Amino acid sequence: DGGITQSPKYLFRKEGQNVTLSCEQNLNHDAMYWYRQDPGQGLRLIYYSQIVNDFQKGDIAEGYSVSREKKESFPLTVTSAQKNPTAFYLCASSTKPGPTRETQYFGPGTRLLVL
Amino acid sequence: AQSVTQPDIHITVSEGASLELRCNYSYGATPYLFWYVQSPGQGLQLLLKYFSGDTLVQGIKGFEAEFKRSQSTFNLRKPSVHWSDAAEYFCAVGPRSGGGNKLTFGTGTQLKVEL
Repeated sequence: DGGITQSPKYLFRKEGQNVTLSCEQNLNHDAMYWYRQDPGQGLRLIYYSQIVNDFQKGDIAEGYSVSREKKESFPLTVTSAQKNPTAFYLCASSTKPGPTRETQYFGPGTRLLVL
Repeated sequence: AQSVTQPDIHITVSEGASLELRCNYSYGATPYLFWYVQSPGQGLQLLLKYFSGDTLVQGIKGFEAEFKRSQSTFNLRKPSVHWSDAAEYFCAVGPRSGGGNKLTFGTGTQLKVEL
């Protein structure tokens, strides 16, 4: 089945620790996105990538980093600089933006908790 | 800057009753418009989208939405709600050109269905 997988489902972070969230897609999509979801705030864009080896900051990139070495993978690292990392993190992908403006499809999410 | 407002944080309806979830947007031009649904602890699933053409859009699970340019609204409707429709619903807008296919989400409406 084609889709987006995120792992782990739950992740615990200790103070001062960097953690990495995995996002993999087998949809052959060019673009990938990371969102953060907090109760009552909807989804906010952290980073996005439209092509391999290229990515751009979203609205709340501080304290996060990403890489896009492969088309199917877009891992997100939550660094120790992110002071309030507890949230639900969603990865999404879409085909390259074009005349039909393709839809974003979402993974099941990773919940990050701070110990 | 673009914005999306979902005025109702919580809505409760009886099973079998009709439903309307409101979405107001602020945008420089007519954007692309989406409705997503999220079950607890899950990712987002696309219900429907408006790109162009007929302003009444049909989606999955019996949902429809109407784009009203003059009112800057894209309200979601369902004639008869089922208990399984209980979830959180998000309206989102995206640019027609440029912007990297970035979506702006509303803060969501939590739907409760009474049996």
